[in-house]
Amino acid sequence: NAGVMQNPRHLVRRRGQEARLRCSPMKGHSHVYWYRQLPEEGLKFMVYLQKENIIDESGMPKERFSAEFPKEGPSILRIQQVVRGDSAAYFCASSPRTSGPNTEAFFGQGTRLTVV
Amino acid sequence: KQEVTQIPAALSVPEGENLVLNCSFTDSAIYNLQWFRQDPGKGLTSLLLIQSSQREQTSGRLNASLDKSSGRSTLYIAASQPGDSATYLCAHPGGGANNLFFGTGTRLTVIP
Repeated sequence: NAGVMQNPRHLVRRRGQEARLRCSPMKGHSHVYWYRQLPEEGLKFMVYLQKENIIDESGMPKERFSAEFPKEGPSILRIQQVVRGDSAAYFCASSPRTSGPNTEAFFGQGTRLTVV
Repeated sequence: KQEVTQIPAALSVPEGENLVLNCSFTDSAIYNLQWFRQDPGKGLTSLLLIQSSQREQTSGRLNASLDKSSGRSTLYIAASQPGDSATYLCAHPGGGANNLFFGTGTRLTVIP
């Protein structure tokens, strides 16, 4: 049973380009969470999705950032017109279908985005 | 506002020492508290999860305690090894339980 898979592991984009980060949850997990870790800072929640639904996007920047979790395929975090301040590690976590507050979340290895 | 604090930010100990990492939180109604390990440039590995009804959890050389009333959790590492060197993060679910609030971590270095 593979863990949470994120790709790419490293991504370099020039300012103004688009970045697409992918996350495949663990088998049997239908809840996906995205977090961002800025240099020398802790992880901050961005968005929580279930299949085809955004449940909580309270941590998402208002512009340029979007997320989806389609019926088929991985969850995608999309950053349009990237700026240097978007350089960070982006982590995805997943939890089971019957998720609740006492459910353990499992994290992927992260995607390290560098904007040059 | 939810706050999770980890002090110290960095800690160096000689191999073989027992050590305690601290985590303080402001929400006394948390559902659980989870400890993670993060290696440089890597993802997070879950170490222990303590439910709100529990006082402690043990896994090998690791023991985590939880005191909701005082807003504190500790991670005790026995007989530390160089392979324990990593950043240790604590986190708990938010009020809506949709996300985890993380501390900024304690960077542990175990010196051979």
